[in-house]
Amino acid sequence: QQKVQQSPESLSVPEGGMASFNCTSSDRNFQYFWWYRQHSGEGPKALMSIFSDGDKKEGRFTAHLNKASLHVSLHIRDSQPSDSALYFCAASENSGTYQRFGTGTKLQVVP
Amino acid sequence: EAAVTQSPRNKVAVTGGKVTLSCNQTNNHNNMYWYRQDTGHGLRLIHYSYGAGSTEKGDIPDGYKASRPSQENFSLILELATPSQTSVYFCASGGTGGQDTQYFGPGTRLLVL
Repeated sequence: QQKVQQSPESLSVPEGGMASFNCTSSDRNFQYFWWYRQHSGEGPKALMSIFSDGDKKEGRFTAHLNKASLHVSLHIRDSQPSDSALYFCAASENSGTYQRFGTGTKLQVVP
Repeated sequence: EAAVTQSPRNKVAVTGGKVTLSCNQTNNHNNMYWYRQDTGHGLRLIHYSYGAGSTEKGDIPDGYKASRPSQENFSLILELATPSQTSVYFCASGGTGGQDTQYFGPGTRLLVL
């Protein structure tokens, strides 16, 4: 059973547009959440982490966490073709040492 | 930036053969991980390690063994490779805390014929 679910499976946005990703968890022990990005032919790379309820902004990227509903989202404003990639949500427990990953959302930014 | 390397980058193996995938990290991280990536399944944890000499089973350990002979090196071993193990394998390293980010290698593409 997948403990971390992501939606949508794929997403296409115009250059300069907003891309939004969703992630929900079925495990209330998860306390820490990450977004990773994977370009084609490469390994995943951490994009940003969020551990507290509310918003966290880093440049064009904003993550939002609601622990009560176990929902985390990622928004990319002013999307660029270089943002085209696979985006993973990951979560770990407070005392855990490894992360559980979702199935990913494929983003295509169309020039 | 943290550095994780994997070898080989591509591997073709025969069914029933033995395959060893290697991973090296220069981050001095205690924890290391092996994942496989398949379309529709995302990244699934196979084995992980807390340090030299330790290996732990992840979510899908069947058919795989792991070895951590040193802080820097972590290997994934397929004793009897099967076509269902055709996949892309990623190694990662990270700290010991639940809040620590993981750093991934570039991946190994394995094809079992």
